[in-house]
Parts: sequence; structure tokens; C-alpha cells
Amino acid sequence: GAVVSQHPSWVICKSGTSVKIECRSLDFQATTMFWYRQFPKQSLMLMATSNEGSKATYEQGVEKDKFLINHASLTLSTLTVTSAHPEDSSFYICSGARLSTEAFFGQGTRLTVV
Amino acid sequence: AQTVTQSQPEMSVQEAETVTLSCTYDTSESDYYLFWYKQPPSRQMILVIRQEAYKQQNATENRFSVNFQKAAKSFSLKISDSQLGDAAMYFCAYRSPDNYGQNFVFGPGTRLSVLP
Repeated sequence: GAVVSQHPSWVICKSGTSVKIECRSLDFQATTMFWYRQFPKQSLMLMATSNEGSKATYEQGVEKDKFLINHASLTLSTLTVTSAHPEDSSFYICSGARLSTEAFFGQGTRLTVV
Repeated sequence: AQTVTQSQPEMSVQEAETVTLSCTYDTSESDYYLFWYKQPPSRQMILVIRQEAYKQQNATENRFSVNFQKAAKSFSLKISDSQLGDAAMYFCAYRSPDNYGQNFVFGPGTRLSVLP
């Protein structure tokens, strides 16, 4: 299947700093990128959907000023957690998809804010 | 809005045996896609199998097969000859077709344990 590369796989940052997570589709062009947050032993919680070249659509309750998403090209999307706090510590997963196909997932990023 | 339900939070199966994971969904659409994803301890989401709603034939991928009942809105996954490496969280997912930016709807997941 297609490959989505996400990095870093884990990151520790100090409270108040910003962290950027990258998601790249390596062998296909993802018309849509999804960003999820996953709490332990739970399903994926959609944070936002981004289509190449347009603004991301955020789910209700997700602060767009805190979780900045950029989808500059068909192969790259980034999530920046701004002014991170300990409650932002979580596992973040990206996925890329084309129309009417399955989604391909990145490896995930474990963020710890101290 | 579509919803996906997985009524079995946890399941276990003996190695080499067969296990079926259930999934039901709610939708008013006639055309859509259904998926089963596996998330092992590494937490990498892996596509197991895919089914197009317009296809009557159930999808199969080696030891994995589905029982797709469109009228009942049911989409169960059967794992035959279970192996230790099958132990993982399994998520059922729904997607509307040809809708630019259409999200995937995931079920809550079923944790499968494989007993040696």
C-alpha cells in the first residue's frame, strides 16, 4: 500500500513552546489529509481535515489557533501545536487519502509536554 | 451523520482458531466504502480489508474476510487461522464516496488477544 511518513515519532517539549509535526505522502498525492488525536485505549478522534491549498476544517471543540494545520502541497501537511501545555500531551496521527480510497496512516507522534 | 458501532470492546481467540469481529453502521447513503484497520502495539494503523458497498461479493484478503450485509448495515471481519501477530486493536471505518475531503468515521475499536 501507499506510504505516509510522519515525524517526529516522539517529542518532548517544554510548556509554552510550539511543536511541529510533519506528514508526507511518499508515493501518492493525498488530496485530503486528516489529523487525529488518540487517547490511550480509545479510537481516533478527528481534529481537522485539510485539502491541498485550502484552509483546514476543524472539528467542533478543536482550537484552530492552537492546532495550526498547513497543507501546502499534495504530499505534505503539517500540524503545529502552539503554546503547548501538559494537557496537549497525546498521540497524534495523520493520514492521507485520495477520493474514494482508503486512508493511509503515518506512524504517529507521541507528544509529551513537560 | 454516519455512525459506526463495534459492540465487542475485547475479544480473544486461540491461536489457529477463527474469530469474528462485529461492526454495524448507520447511514442513509446507498454508496459508500467500508474498511477494517488494525492497530498493533506499535500504533501504526494498517489497512486490513476494504469493501465497496455496490459490490455484493464479500472482500477477502488471505486469512481475512468480511461478511457484508448491506440491508442489515453489518460488516463483520473474520480472521481464520489466527496468529499471534493478529493481536491488535481493530477499527471498523466508513467513508462516503467521491466527496472531496470526506472524513472517515471510525468505530470505537475491538481489542483482539490471541492466546498461544
